[in-house]
Amino acid sequence: GENVEQHPSTLSVQEGDSAVIKCTYSDSASNYFPWYKQELGKGPQLIIDIRSNVGEKKDQRIAVTLNKTAKHFSLHITETQPEDSAVYFCPQVGRYSTLTFGKGTMLLVSP
Amino acid sequence: KAGVTQTPRYLIKTRGQQVTLSCSPISGHRSVSWYQQTPGQGLQFLFEYFSETQRNKGNFPGRFSGRQFSNSRSEMNVSTLELGDSALYLCASSLMTPNTGELFFGEGSRLTVL
Repeated sequence: GENVEQHPSTLSVQEGDSAVIKCTYSDSASNYFPWYKQELGKGPQLIIDIRSNVGEKKDQRIAVTLNKTAKHFSLHITETQPEDSAVYFCPQVGRYSTLTFGKGTMLLVSP
Repeated sequence: KAGVTQTPRYLIKTRGQQVTLSCSPISGHRSVSWYQQTPGQGLQFLFEYFSETQRNKGNFPGRFSGRQFSNSRSEMNVSTLELGDSALYLCASSLMTPNTGELFFGEGSRLTVL
């Protein structure tokens, strides 16, 4: 089964609202946690990542927080815009950077 | 800097045929991975190549194969196509340095099997 669980599967927000997507992992040895965004008709793109020695990382409107004790990390998007509409993934990173993807979260931002 | 280039972008085949997809990684990237994306199974890892050697392989039948050339370009082949092979095939390249786990994906090759 999946080693990373992602919630929610679908998230609808109004433009300007904040969005939070959470991933829970099981492997205590995990030390790298990326978030990928896939827009319609395109391949996934890394938007932010965090390593296990850091608790939070920000890049403009997006941020990722890591709770190692609870084994979960979250993606936070503030002031959402229609172009944020996409599917977001928090894949597990394995050997040779192989990514194991879950089903992702479809974020819909309404104008 | 050019991104990952995949060709062809779209193709239609019939059952029993074979198909070859091509991927040109970002210049300087020596690792190339392939993924299959379908509505039912999502994104699944096929295989990964580094310096012409397959280092990792996903859980796909032997009909799926790949190779990497000395210039890091890669091809994947699917033989005896089945309807279920209809999917978006994504290629990703990576620097494979210790400090980054980032994969750079192409836009994919969309295969339809009739």
